[in-house]
Amino acid sequence: RKEVEQDPGPFNVPEGATVAFNCTYSNSASQSFFWYRQDCRKEPKLLMSVYSSGNEDGRFTAQLNRASQYISLLIRDSKLSDSATYLCVVNGAGTASKLTFGTGTRLQVTL
Amino acid sequence: ETGVTQSPTHLIKTRGQQVTLRCSSQSGHNTVSWYQQALGQGPQFIFQYYREEENGRGNFPPRFSGLQFPNYSSELNVNALELDDSALYLCASSFGTGYYTFGSGTRLTVV
Repeated sequence: RKEVEQDPGPFNVPEGATVAFNCTYSNSASQSFFWYRQDCRKEPKLLMSVYSSGNEDGRFTAQLNRASQYISLLIRDSKLSDSATYLCVVNGAGTASKLTFGTGTRLQVTL
Repeated sequence: ETGVTQSPTHLIKTRGQQVTLRCSSQSGHNTVSWYQQALGQGPQFIFQYYREEENGRGNFPPRFSGLQFPNYSSELNVNALELDDSALYLCASSFGTGYYTFGSGTRLTVV
């Protein structure tokens, strides 16, 4: 079983649609959680951190369910510029912590 | 404040050769991690350096090795290159286990 699992997509949605991505992780000792965005042939960039209380940044809402080891990302009012791969990322504990990435979910927003 | 810079941006090597990739960490960051991203996959953790010592390693063979220098810059060395080593190699820096900033990567092609 992969440490972080995501549906690879692609998700093809029209502009203005709401789209949700989900992710599960296997290590219950994981300490912090993120969504990264990666454009084609570019480096990953931090989109937002994810907390149990849920957090929102404009059109983006992220949620963590520690009991189910489940992370979600909701994008409202999709824009063409949201087209990218969204990577679910989990960080372990301690000074030797590492980022563990899912394979990414590809989103294509169309006119 | 400068970000993470990697060199070279692209590289073509022959199977069996050796390669050295370089990374300058973001100002104020003391931890450097290296990741390998194959096409269509999420980045995979190779190893992490903190205060010039390796303090975490992923599932990569010993022919993948690294260094961190007193100015926190880092090198990734790969010996006896194999075709499957073709990938985007990403360097990320952080202050301890804080937020990671990624460089734009080195795209390595082994022929």
